[in-house]
Amino acid sequence: QKEVEQNSGPLSVPEGAIASLNCTYSDRGSQSFFWYRQYSGKSPELIMFIYSNGDKEDGRFTAQLNKASQYVSLLIRDSQPSDSATYLCAVNFGGATNKLIFGTGTLLAVQP
Amino acid sequence: GAGVSQSPSNKVTEKGKDVELRCDPISGHTALYWYRQSLGQGLEFLIYFQGNSAPDKSGLPSDRFSAERTGGSVSTLTIQRTQQEDSAVYLCASSTTVVGAGRGPQHFGDGTRLSIL
Repeated sequence: QKEVEQNSGPLSVPEGAIASLNCTYSDRGSQSFFWYRQYSGKSPELIMFIYSNGDKEDGRFTAQLNKASQYVSLLIRDSQPSDSATYLCAVNFGGATNKLIFGTGTLLAVQP
Repeated sequence: GAGVSQSPSNKVTEKGKDVELRCDPISGHTALYWYRQSLGQGLEFLIYFQGNSAPDKSGLPSDRFSAERTGGSVSTLTIQRTQQEDSAVYLCASSTTVVGAGRGPQHFGDGTRLSIL
């Protein structure tokens, strides 16, 4: 059973701080990794994706991947109240299918 | 349109009725996916289309669920004889695909909120 694990939170950070969201996955053969943001009552919105070990930065967001440790993280710098949402980690485990396996999400609350 | 379009946005129906949910992917996206998100649950994969074929339908929960895609574009998810446990938000996503590594990220539509009375 391929699994993706996230801490459900809530993760509470003050405005302007760095929010660190973590995700572990079960299959070493996993190929690609995605972070989605989901506001309450809305659909998931793609934030970042990463395929290779190391860091990938896009504006205030940095995705970090460590395949040896089967660990992927998302850092949000200068957190804003508008960043308050559920962050979903998703993994493409490869093979013939392109399906994503999602974690249950981490609720982030940025306090003004 | 620019994004994935789903209709209807909301559907309320009585137990036992059949429902059809529609998805229009991003233009040029060859891959299309259906997921389901139940209250308090994570996103659950249902089926994956590459063109008009469905190489992976392993997530369909029962034979009451079926899906098709025509013309490599619009897809319809059909639920027959609906049950209360079918109540959920049904999400469609699309992506480009490259065989091997580097498959395109999936972009989601706004979903159809299905409520079975």
